[in-house]
Amino acid sequence: DTGVSQNPRHKITKRGQNVTFRCDPISEHNRLYWYRQTLGQGPEFLTYFQNEAQLEKSRLLSDRFSAERPKGSFSTLEIQRTEQGDSAMYLCASSEPGPPGEQYFGPGTRLTVT
Amino acid sequence: GEDVEQSLFLSVREGDSSVINCTYTDSSSTYLYWYKQEPGAGLQLLTYIFSNMDMKQDQRLTVLLNKKDKHLSLRIADTQTGDSAIYFCAESDGPDSGNTPLVFGKGTRLSVIA
Repeated sequence: DTGVSQNPRHKITKRGQNVTFRCDPISEHNRLYWYRQTLGQGPEFLTYFQNEAQLEKSRLLSDRFSAERPKGSFSTLEIQRTEQGDSAMYLCASSEPGPPGEQYFGPGTRLTVT
Repeated sequence: GEDVEQSLFLSVREGDSSVINCTYTDSSSTYLYWYKQEPGAGLQLLTYIFSNMDMKQDQRLTVLLNKKDKHLSLRIADTQTGDSAIYFCAESDGPDSGNTPLVFGKGTRLSVIA
């Protein structure tokens, strides 16, 4: 296992289109997190799962965003009716139950909405 | 609410020590983490510290924690050009610290001058 993987690495879409990103965590990790990072900022938490259960959603996660982890393995993050403000790097991380709960990050998916 | 603050820039000469500082506000935070992000890449976990510790050392990295002042620092000894990156301080907040989403600072951009 080489770590957390994310696909695609880059996505360019037109405003109003829907996009879906995928995250494959480290295989033995049952926690999976989604964060968003914009230029010059640190990552901001969006949502996280323990196995297939979605435990928490940030108020940053508008109703255009939905995340799933149907079998407790990979996860998808969908953004409907994209807006230019959605342009960001979307990061996925996974961890074993803590503490210390070290989170290991994937390379991210960079979304550009034109 | 939770807040993590860092100075934005630090420039050091190769071979010198770098000290990156961070302050946090959540008094119940017990786990604090340092991450490194190189251009275009995801976040790499460097180390973490538990609040019952004042110091943790790992090769060239030393973490100091002043819980009273809510101040965390990362010292990099013998800084190399490969250490040039953005360094993020993060806390896992709340009574279940170590099992919660991370709150990140904005990051400190370290530039190493050869």
